[in-house]
Amino acid sequence: AQSVTQPDIHITVSEGASLELRCNYSYGATPYLFWYVQSPGQGLQLLLKYFSGDTLVQGIKGFEAEFKRSQSSFNLRKPSVHWSDAAEYFCAVVPNTGGFKTIFGAGTRLFVKA
Amino acid sequence: DAGVIQSPRHEVTEMGQEVTLRCKPISGHDYLFWYRQTMMRGLELLIYFNNNVPIDDSGMPEDRFSAKMPNASFSTLKIQPSEPRDSAVYFCASRGRASGDNEQFFGPGTRLTVL
Repeated sequence: AQSVTQPDIHITVSEGASLELRCNYSYGATPYLFWYVQSPGQGLQLLLKYFSGDTLVQGIKGFEAEFKRSQSSFNLRKPSVHWSDAAEYFCAVVPNTGGFKTIFGAGTRLFVKA
Repeated sequence: DAGVIQSPRHEVTEMGQEVTLRCKPISGHDYLFWYRQTMMRGLELLIYFNNNVPIDDSGMPEDRFSAKMPNASFSTLKIQPSEPRDSAVYFCASRGRASGDNEQFFGPGTRLTVL
């Protein structure tokens, strides 16, 4: 079945440490790929997106993500986490089948400790 | 642009009452999406519109839910009658016709509590 998997429900990192959030998808063709961030009480904000070209994409707030076709993954990374990065992060895909239905992963909540 | 606007931000109602959630998409956007977010089920797409026409309502949970888009700048999601299990945060999002990469812009959400 088509799905988006974020295997980590929550992650805790120390401020200044590096971060990697995992995302795997199961679709036949490469879908459109997104990472969104949701701060408490807020809507979702787009961090970055991929649909073709360079497999390493840069986003806002110092985030980047790498698309790996062989692993069906689109992991989000940040070299040095700030306390303000504490939020919930959602990986999302739009299947490349002509529709516009976005499928979201379950989310990973990031905690940042001082 | 003010972004996607949703009202109310919070709604508390009693079981059996009618609830209407409102959304104003970003001007010029031709797609509008309604999502529901709960701890148990995560973020679910309920329905989306293109040029004010409902395209896919397969995510609408049951007949108690209905959505309309009478014009390009306004949409409503109605629940009648409401039940406690409808308690959730409801998000509206819009997408522009020029956004070939399918990026959606989200509103701040409406937190609904049904007692």
